[in-house]
Amino acid sequence: TQLLEQSPQFLSIQEGENLTVYCNSSSVFSSLQWYRQEPGEGPVLLVTVVTGGEVKKLKRLTFQFGDARKDSSLHITAAQPGDTGLYLCAGEGDSGYALNFGKGTSLLVTP
Amino acid sequence: EAQVTQNPRYLITVTGKKLTVTCSQNMNHEYMSWYRQDPGLGLRQIYYSMNVEVTDKGDVPEGYKVSRKEKRNFPLILESPSPNQTSLYFCASRQDRVTEAFFGQGTRLTVV
Repeated sequence: TQLLEQSPQFLSIQEGENLTVYCNSSSVFSSLQWYRQEPGEGPVLLVTVVTGGEVKKLKRLTFQFGDARKDSSLHITAAQPGDTGLYLCAGEGDSGYALNFGKGTSLLVTP
Repeated sequence: EAQVTQNPRYLITVTGKKLTVTCSQNMNHEYMSWYRQDPGLGLRQIYYSMNVEVTDKGDVPEGYKVSRKEKRNFPLILESPSPNQTSLYFCASRQDRVTEAFFGQGTRLTVV
């Protein structure tokens, strides 16, 4: 199984602060996805990164795929309470069909 | 509306009593998967299916069975549930290897 390590595991910040969440692996992935999960709900896709070095922006969220396609980061600018949730990175498993997830980063943004 | 539907949302059962969690998607997706989510362990894949009648084990398949007789349905079967299968279960589907995975709303299972 291709492992995805996320850090930090927990993050508690105040509204307006910036933060970065990391997703690392020793394996090369053809693509990586970032999902956000709210309590009691299933994960919802935020972005898919495909090309090494790629940067994608989604409003205040910036996603980057490492040049070697082994790691990715999610940066949130001026975090808001609505950003609170569990952020998960995911990549294809060894078979190419299965989608493996990191353990997630639980983010709490307080007013 | 494109969706993945799981039933039931909540289930409390006793050890050894067979149960089935249903999953249905209306997007004509090829791939479907089952995951369990546990505190500190994240989302772990139980089984996945690449197409009708084609299934394969994920990382934690012990104690579970699946079937894919129709493209839209992918039920998860626990023949003899045990307390260590108490968990939050998610079904997901996606069209191909790089597209978005759509998740159901989850089934919270408690085995006593």
